[in-house]
Amino acid sequence: DAGVIQSPRHEVTEMGQEVTLRCKPISGHNSLFWYRQTMMRGLELLIYFNNNVPIDDSGMPEDRFSAKMPNASFSTLKIQPSEPRDSAVYFCACRLAQETQYFGPGTRLLVL
Amino acid sequence: DQQVKQNSPSLSVQEGRISILNCDYTNSMFDYFLWYKKYPAEGPTFLISISSIKDKNEDGRFTVFLNKSAKHLSLHIVPSQPGDSAVYFCAAPANNAGNMLTFGGGTRLMVKP
Repeated sequence: DAGVIQSPRHEVTEMGQEVTLRCKPISGHNSLFWYRQTMMRGLELLIYFNNNVPIDDSGMPEDRFSAKMPNASFSTLKIQPSEPRDSAVYFCACRLAQETQYFGPGTRLLVL
Repeated sequence: DQQVKQNSPSLSVQEGRISILNCDYTNSMFDYFLWYKKYPAEGPTFLISISSIKDKNEDGRFTVFLNKSAKHLSLHIVPSQPGDSAVYFCAAPANNAGNMLTFGGGTRLMVKP
């Protein structure tokens, strides 16, 4: 198994542009999480899906952020419009039942 | 309001010695705790966990101790190796169902050869 796959690994964009981050979870893992890591706030949960359904999005910073999971093997996190303060490393993680979460390698986003 | 806190942002230890990473929490209802390890340019990986009904869990060189009265847990690495140099996060369930995690801010461990 290739583990959690995230793309792109690095993204540099200009303020105001739309950014789409992608995640392919481990096959069969029915829970998916999007996290953001910054120096100031550490690792914070943005949104959690279970069986493709968003369960808790209380961590999503504001309306500029949206996430979808159209099927069990794909999820996106979109930022529109992006701002410099969105610069961070974004992680996708997945989980099977009660087991621990497995993280992807992350997408390092820089908004200029 | 951070429910899990790691007050030491960094720790430097000599190879072969013990590394002790600390974590404090505020919610006495947490059922379990986890430690994750993160190398640069990689995602966090699960290291070790402990149930709240235990006070110690050991896995090779890694031992986690839980002091419920003090709401404190610690990760001991003995002996420390240069390959242990990484950022360590403690985590606890963020909701009653336990399917979401809340993480501490992390501690960067540097093991010097």
